[in-house]
Amino acid sequence: RKEVEQDPGPFNVPEGATVAFNCTYSNSASQSFFWYRQDCRKEPKLLMSVYSSGNEDGRFTAQLNRASQYISLLIRDSKLSDSATYLCVVNGFSGGYNKLIFGAGTRLAVHP
Amino acid sequence: NAGVTQTPKFQVLKTGQSMTLLCAQDMNHEYMSWYRQDPGMGLRLIHYSVGAGITDQGEVPNGYNVSRSTTEDFPLRLLSAAPSQTSVYFCASTQSSTGDTEAFFGQGTRLTVV
Repeated sequence: RKEVEQDPGPFNVPEGATVAFNCTYSNSASQSFFWYRQDCRKEPKLLMSVYSSGNEDGRFTAQLNRASQYISLLIRDSKLSDSATYLCVVNGFSGGYNKLIFGAGTRLAVHP
Repeated sequence: NAGVTQTPKFQVLKTGQSMTLLCAQDMNHEYMSWYRQDPGMGLRLIHYSVGAGITDQGEVPNGYNVSRSTTEDFPLRLLSAAPSQTSVYFCASTQSSTGDTEAFFGQGTRLTVV
C-alpha cells in the first residue's frame, strides 16, 4: 500500500464548478499535511497547509480527518487557471529524520 | 530572489556515463533533498540532508550519491547512468527538518539516458 494515495483523475470540470479531491495516508503518526500544486512540466509549489480544524484560503478549503486518515481539498468557482496537478503531501518519520511523502497527484482540467 | 537553483535543466546521457546535477539554495535552509518524478508515481525521495556534513538515503537511493559540504549546495551524482534513471529530478529545501515547513523546489532537471 502506498503511504499517500490519491485518485489520479483527471477531473474535467467546467468553469465555475466546485470540485473536491481526497487523499488517504497510512501513517497515523503523521503530524503535518499539505496540498501542493504542480503545473505541467514545472516544479511543485505549496498551495496550502492543512490544519486539524480545517482551513480556507479564498476559493480553496482543506480538511483533515485524523480518525479516517484522509485529507480533502475543495475548490469552489473553478477557474481555467486552476488547471494543474494537485499533490497531497504528508510528513513521515524514518531513519531518525522527518521527510515529506508525496502522493502521485490528482490532475484537474477546467474547461470553458 | 533566487531560491533554489538547479542545473542543468535538460541533459541527455549515454548508458554508463556519470554526471552531477547541481542544486544551490540561498535561503540558509538546513534541510535539502533530491526527488525523482516518474509518470504515475509522484515524487520519490532519493537522498536528503539535514545539514552540512549530514546526508542519508531516501526511498530510491541506488545509483546515486550525494554530499553536503556547505549549507548552500547539495549536488546529486549519477555514478553510471542507466535507462531506468530517465526521469525528472527536483531538488528541494526547507527551513527545518521537522517536516512542518514549506518545501521550495528548483525548476527541475529533465534527464534522458539512452
